[in-house]
Amino acid sequence: DAKTTQPTSMDCAEGRAANLPCNHSTISGNEYVYWYRQIHSQGPQYIIHGLKNNETNEMASLIITEDRKSSTLILPHATLRDTAVYYCIVRGTGGGSNYKLTFGKGTLLTVNP
Amino acid sequence: KAGVTQTPRYLIKTRGQQVTLSCSPISGHRSVSWYQQTPGQGLQFLFEYFSETQRNKGNFPGRFSGRQFSNSRSEMNVSTLELGDSALYLCASSMGLAGGPDEQFFGPGTRLTVL
Repeated sequence: DAKTTQPTSMDCAEGRAANLPCNHSTISGNEYVYWYRQIHSQGPQYIIHGLKNNETNEMASLIITEDRKSSTLILPHATLRDTAVYYCIVRGTGGGSNYKLTFGKGTLLTVNP
Repeated sequence: KAGVTQTPRYLIKTRGQQVTLSCSPISGHRSVSWYQQTPGQGLQFLFEYFSETQRNKGNFPGRFSGRQFSNSRSEMNVSTLELGDSALYLCASSMGLAGGPDEQFFGPGTRLTVL
């Protein structure tokens, strides 16, 4: 079972920031938070990951609360091409016996013109 | 750097047949994972290979098997196909090293239809 909870769907206006929340209240100390997105019928695309500090890359920012029980993915200026299902995933370090991505149902983000 | 490639992209088979799917990881990546995606069950982990050894396995029947070659390319085989095996099969590659984060990069998938 997925260890995260996300809203089923969200809307965002083009050009605005999209803030996608994720709850992971049972996260362990060595588990990372990963975000992927999937545009219809394509393979999931890696976006960003973090452990406890906020992270930013060319695609998005990841804000993790101090207690690490929740996080928010921020797309600063959403475009129509950002319409996709966004998955928040919690996973341990690489190489371990639990080395897999457990996908939940994700959040369908619809960016409207 | 070239991304993950999967062949074939589309496949139609009939019940009872077997099928082999292929995945070429990103150069330098030693871990290859396979996932099945269906509308009802979503994305589910099948297995992961690292340095030619199966390191992790999901909850799928033995009809689903895989292997990895010395160049890290991987194949997945499904025998005695059932209608319920119709799905998008995705492969993901990563460095697979222990002790830290490990981003997985996905291929475009193989769409399998079982008639």
